[in-house]
Amino acid sequence: DAKTTQPPSMDCAEGRAANLPCNHSTISGNEYVYWYRQIHSQGPQYIIHGLKNNETNEMASLIITEDRKSSTLILPHATLRDTAVYYCIVRPTGTASKLTFGTGTRLQVTL
Amino acid sequence: ETGVTQTPRHLVMGMTNKKSLKCEQHLGHNAMYWYKQSAKKPLELMFVYSLEERVENNSVPSRFSPECPNSSHLFLHLHTLQPEDSALYLCASSQDRSQGDLNVGSYNSPLHFGNGTRLTVT
Repeated sequence: DAKTTQPPSMDCAEGRAANLPCNHSTISGNEYVYWYRQIHSQGPQYIIHGLKNNETNEMASLIITEDRKSSTLILPHATLRDTAVYYCIVRPTGTASKLTFGTGTRLQVTL
Repeated sequence: ETGVTQTPRHLVMGMTNKKSLKCEQHLGHNAMYWYKQSAKKPLELMFVYSLEERVENNSVPSRFSPECPNSSHLFLHLHTLQPEDSALYLCASSQDRSQGDLNVGSYNSPLHFGNGTRLTVT
């Protein structure tokens, strides 16, 4: 599985957009990019995933570069409840198994 | 989200005890997973069940014994644990590609996690 690199921590002011970067330079053509987040003492929560096109849902937007070597998760209007550890994960197509978690980015949303 | 329910939420056990963790999913999924999250470490995959058959065992010690009686329930039986086994144990489920599905390469169902059981071994 391709590895991902994320900054260990980021801060964001409440109401502003939070842009969380992820590098996955060894991603292969059949691997999706997934984003999860984990709020303290809870299980990881699925946010969004994509293959090569940009994706948007009610929680966030996912921007994947054309060469697919990096991506950005965008929370358009961060709130205090978005404070969490965010995980970027690369997962092969066709297997409903195995999300391999790294250490993620700890996002702190402040007033 | 209440799609994946884990009980108990907290468990304290001695090293000689036997206990079981329970996971139930209400999402109609056919694959279930156990993950372990130790303090300041990434989540580690322990076991994967697909269609009630174990398809992955990540070199987990035999003092952890999983059981999947049907596609909605998953157990983790614990015996003679060590203090270093203290961790958050997380269950997840997803929809695996069904047998006979010829649409190869297209299936990618997100995993949905429960809120875990916080286990302390004394």
